[in-house]
Amino acid sequence: GAVVSQHPSRVICKSGTSVKIECRSLDFQATTMFWYRQFPKQSLMLMATSNEGSKATYEQGVEKDKFLINHASLTLSTLTVTSAHPEDSSFYICSARVLAGAGNEQFFGPGTRLTVL
Amino acid sequence: AQSVTQLGSHVSVSEGALVLLRCNYSSSVPPYLFWYVQYPNQGLQLLLKYTTGATLVKGINGFEAEFKKSETSFHLTKPSAHMSDAAEYFCAVTRNSGNTPLVFGKGTRLSVIA
Repeated sequence: GAVVSQHPSRVICKSGTSVKIECRSLDFQATTMFWYRQFPKQSLMLMATSNEGSKATYEQGVEKDKFLINHASLTLSTLTVTSAHPEDSSFYICSARVLAGAGNEQFFGPGTRLTVL
Repeated sequence: AQSVTQLGSHVSVSEGALVLLRCNYSSSVPPYLFWYVQYPNQGLQLLLKYTTGATLVKGINGFEAEFKKSETSFHLTKPSAHMSDAAEYFCAVTRNSGNTPLVFGKGTRLSVIA
C-alpha cells in the first residue's frame, strides 16, 4: 500500500524559532499533498493544498507567510512554521493524494507533534 | 460545498456488542465517502471507502459501511466490538474532481468496555 512518512515525529522548540516538517510519499508519486492541523480532541483542519512545482493554496485564515509550504518534487513537501509561538503548538498531519482514477484517496502521514515553549 | 456531520462525539459499547457510528453528509455532486481511524498520537488509517458501485462497502478489521443516498448517510458498523477498536473515527467526504481535499467530520471517540 501507499506509505507516507513525516519527519520529525515530535519536535520541541523555543518561541521565535522556525521548524521544518517533511512529508514524503515513499512508494508513489504525489502531485498533490495536503497539510492539516489537529488540536487536541478535535478534527483535522485543512491548512493548505500543496501542488508539485507551484505555489500552495492556503485555506482562509491560514497565514501563508507563517506557514511556508514547498513541494519541490513529486515525493516531498515541506511545511515550515516560521517564528513559532506557543499557540502554534499542535499536531500537524500531511496526506498525499493518489491519482483521481484511484478514487481520490489520500494517504496520511503519522503526524508531527510540535510543542513551542 | 461539502460537509459531514458525525452524530455523537463519544460512543461507548461493551466488548462483543454491535458498533454503530453515524455519519451524514451534504454534497451537491456525487460524493466519495471515507472512514478513517486514528489511534492516539498517530496519523489516520483508512478503514473503507465508497466511490461508485456497490453501496455496502467492507473494510479492514471487520468494519463495513453502507452508502444510502436517500438518507445522505454513510454509517459505520461492526458486528462485534473488540478492545482494540477503541480509537477516534473520522468520516470524510470529497469528490472526484481536481485537487479537492477531504472534508472531515468532527470525529467520534469509540470506547470499548470489557
